[in-house]
Amino acid sequence: GAGVSQSPSNKVTEKGKDVELRCDPISGHTALYWYRQRLGQGLEFLIYFQGNSAPDKSGLPSDRFSAERTGESVSTLTIQRTQQEDSAVYLCASSSNPLGSYNEQFFGPGTRLTVL
Amino acid sequence: KQEVTQIPAALSVPEGENLVLNCSFTDSAIYNLQWFRQDPGKGLTSLLLIQSSQREQTSGRLNASLDKSSGRSTLYIAASQPGDSATYLCAVLTGANNLFFGTGTRLTVIP
Repeated sequence: GAGVSQSPSNKVTEKGKDVELRCDPISGHTALYWYRQRLGQGLEFLIYFQGNSAPDKSGLPSDRFSAERTGESVSTLTIQRTQQEDSAVYLCASSSNPLGSYNEQFFGPGTRLTVL
Repeated sequence: KQEVTQIPAALSVPEGENLVLNCSFTDSAIYNLQWFRQDPGKGLTSLLLIQSSQREQTSGRLNASLDKSSGRSTLYIAASQPGDSATYLCAVLTGANNLFFGTGTRLTVIP
């Protein structure tokens, strides 16, 4: 079946512009996650959606970052007034069973964002 | 805060060799541990998931072990192939949304 998809695969933008990244999770997965991976560094958690519950935004690095999810489907991550330090690969993951030891996260291919 | 360390950071082996990648974590209160491979431009692929109550999982030429009490996991790759070349990441789950990643081991298998 289809996995997690993300678009665009690459995005180059100028400093100060807004960008919007999209994630389509695996159908039926109630949990959706956004991560960021800067060059040469590990993955950083950004935000987590679970069903209709309020999202966990504790990983968002600043108020320039926001994310939305429509029900249990598509999510968009928006970065306003981009800065050069926002350059990274943004990864989305989904899970069908986010609680407990059966939580297996499946990742999309990522969006590589470059801020000039 | 949970910290995950992977050693070595990079590894180069000739084709056909067996190899072991190491992962250690500081807090043993985990739900599970996942091993991923990351290929350039292709995101992360889940390889194996070991629940906290399990000791090991096997998939084909891959075998992952977990010693939760000592905070260690190993990924064993048998009869390595050039197609195994990738970065391997381990990650431990401590809550529904708390997945902590190591920085990975970059593996190169030389034909």
